[in-house]
Amino acid sequence: ELKVEQNPLFLSMQEGKNYTIYCNYSTTSDRLYWYRQDPGKSLESLFVLLSNGAVKQEGRLMASLDTKARLSTLHITAAVHDLSATYFCAVDPNLNAGKSTFGDGTTLTVKP
Amino acid sequence: ETGVTQSPTHLIKTRGQQVTLRCSSQSGHNTVSWYQQALGQGPQFIFQYYREEENGRGNFPPRFSGLQFPNYSSELNVNALELDDSALYLCASSQIDNEQFFGPGTRLTVL
Repeated sequence: ELKVEQNPLFLSMQEGKNYTIYCNYSTTSDRLYWYRQDPGKSLESLFVLLSNGAVKQEGRLMASLDTKARLSTLHITAAVHDLSATYFCAVDPNLNAGKSTFGDGTTLTVKP
Repeated sequence: ETGVTQSPTHLIKTRGQQVTLRCSSQSGHNTVSWYQQALGQGPQFIFQYYREEENGRGNFPPRFSGLQFPNYSSELNVNALELDDSALYLCASSQIDNEQFFGPGTRLTVL
């Protein structure tokens, strides 16, 4: 059974600081996703990572994937209040796209 | 290009009732996956439909069932509702084996 673990589960940070969210998964995978969710809303896709060593950046967020370590990171640079949300990583098992297993989410609060 | 849509937005039911949730897939997509997200948790995979057939199922009892129609829209049916079925239900559409895109969700409350 595929398991996905995120840490930390809660993160409070000051504006302007950097931090990293970690996502570990238990079996080989074709695909890893990062999503953002605002309270009461659906999931917004941030990144799709398909291969070992993949790195993607959008604004203040950068995601990377190490398939050998079964680890993905979401790095936040110079956080701003607008980044406050819950962030999920999700993993598709091999040959099973769209049957994602999600982590429990990291709730990020950015304080002025 | 129209995105994934879901209806209704909110729904209140009582224990023991049955509910049907609907999802219209994004144009050009042939696969629909359904997820249940309880409050404070990550989404859990319920099942996936591809070309009108169930194509994989998560750890949910048979009272959760679905359909996919020729236009690739989909329904999620839940019978004999329980309090723990209260959740946000998300559908996602994709081309088979490609990235999925999520709809806005249906918030189900069971009293």
